[in-house]
Amino acid sequence: LAKTTQPISMDSYEGQEVNITCSHNNIATNDYITWYQQFPSQGPRFIIQGYKTKVTNEVASLFIPADRKSSTLSLPRVSLSDTAVYYCLPDTGRRALTFGSGTRLQVQP
Amino acid sequence: ETGVTQTPRHLVMGMTNKKSLKCEQHLGHNAMYWYKQSAKKPLELMFVYSLEERVENNSVPSRFSPECPNSSHLFLHLHTLQPEDSALYLCASSPQIPSTDTQYFGPGTRLTVL
Repeated sequence: LAKTTQPISMDSYEGQEVNITCSHNNIATNDYITWYQQFPSQGPRFIIQGYKTKVTNEVASLFIPADRKSSTLSLPRVSLSDTAVYYCLPDTGRRALTFGSGTRLQVQP
Repeated sequence: ETGVTQTPRHLVMGMTNKKSLKCEQHLGHNAMYWYKQSAKKPLELMFVYSLEERVENNSVPSRFSPECPNSSHLFLHLHTLQPEDSALYLCASSPQIPSTDTQYFGPGTRLTVL
């Protein structure tokens, strides 16, 4: 099973770009990497998923280098409402998601 | 609003009580899940249901008893709980079982066991 390592916490300011990198081993070529966001006392929410070098949607971008040993979630121009915990979840082949500790992002005014 | 609702949102119970948590999804999904999130711990998968059949029980104590009467409803029956069972209990659903399918989470039930 792929084991993930993310920074425990990050701080940023409004309007800045935030990049959260996740390290993961044993990930296969077509294994997906999914990122979720969780606000306090709420369930996680899907942000983005991909397995190619770059995926972009209306809220974030996901960068995956050729060696696939890491992935980076990029949040452009963060706002206070982006303060949350962000989870990196490589496909484990299991029936459900395996959550790690995530990265706690704090956005300051 | 994700299309997954949970009731009650908050629950306080004694160790001798019996209560049930309810989850309902309005997304037409075939898979449903129970997760537990304790303070300062990662989410822990408890149970997985596919088309009303339990397909995974992640070593959960028998004082937690799930029930899935149909693909839209999922219950978690609680009895003789311990204070360490206090946590946020999250329900989720997805179109199918594979972990690559996007999971949609409910708002959770904040459970306190006295």
